[in-house]
Amino acid sequence: ELKVEQNPLFLSIQEGKNYTIYCNYSTTSDRLYWYRQDPGKSLESLFVLLSNGAVKQEGRLMASLDTKARLSTLHITAAVHDLSATYFCADLHNNNDMRFGAGTRLTVKP
Amino acid sequence: KAGVTQTPRYLIKTRGQQVTLSCSPISGHRSVSWYQQTPGQGLQFLFEYFSETQRNKGNFPGRFSGRQFSNSRSEMNVSTLELGDSALYLCASSFISGWDFTFGSGTRLTVV
Repeated sequence: ELKVEQNPLFLSIQEGKNYTIYCNYSTTSDRLYWYRQDPGKSLESLFVLLSNGAVKQEGRLMASLDTKARLSTLHITAAVHDLSATYFCADLHNNNDMRFGAGTRLTVKP
Repeated sequence: KAGVTQTPRYLIKTRGQQVTLSCSPISGHRSVSWYQQTPGQGLQFLFEYFSETQRNKGNFPGRFSGRQFSNSRSEMNVSTLELGDSALYLCASSFISGWDFTFGSGTRLTVV
């Protein structure tokens, strides 16, 4: 079965701390997506990683992709409260069929 | 530019009824995908349409169907509603297959 596994599923960290969310996927897809979802809201696109070794950064978030290891990471630097949300990774199958991980619920505490 | 528009935002239906949800993609986007999000199963792919053709379908019963019109707007229909169909239904549009996707705000369906 084609799976996308995220860990941890729940994450509570102090403001100012760094942390990494991991995403393992099982397909041979060479692209990986990261989304953010606030409670009751839709999905906001954060990063699209299109090739092995891709690294993208936006503010305090940085995502990377290792297609050989089928691993993507989302690194949080100096966390702030506004980053509190659920983060999903997804890989792409045929014809825009994205398979999502279960999500990582991040809480940043003061 | 206008985003992906889903209507209605909220729906309450009774078991056994049917429902139609609408999704208007970003102008110029020809691909529309639908997803179901529930607390128990997470985000699951329903189907994808491109130029009025269904190209892919997820593992859902035949009660779930959809279509796409010539202006790329898409509808999904769920017949004979069950309590388990209560979910947030999201559509996403993209310009090129496998490129970046933009999600709509979703339709929250509650079946009672």
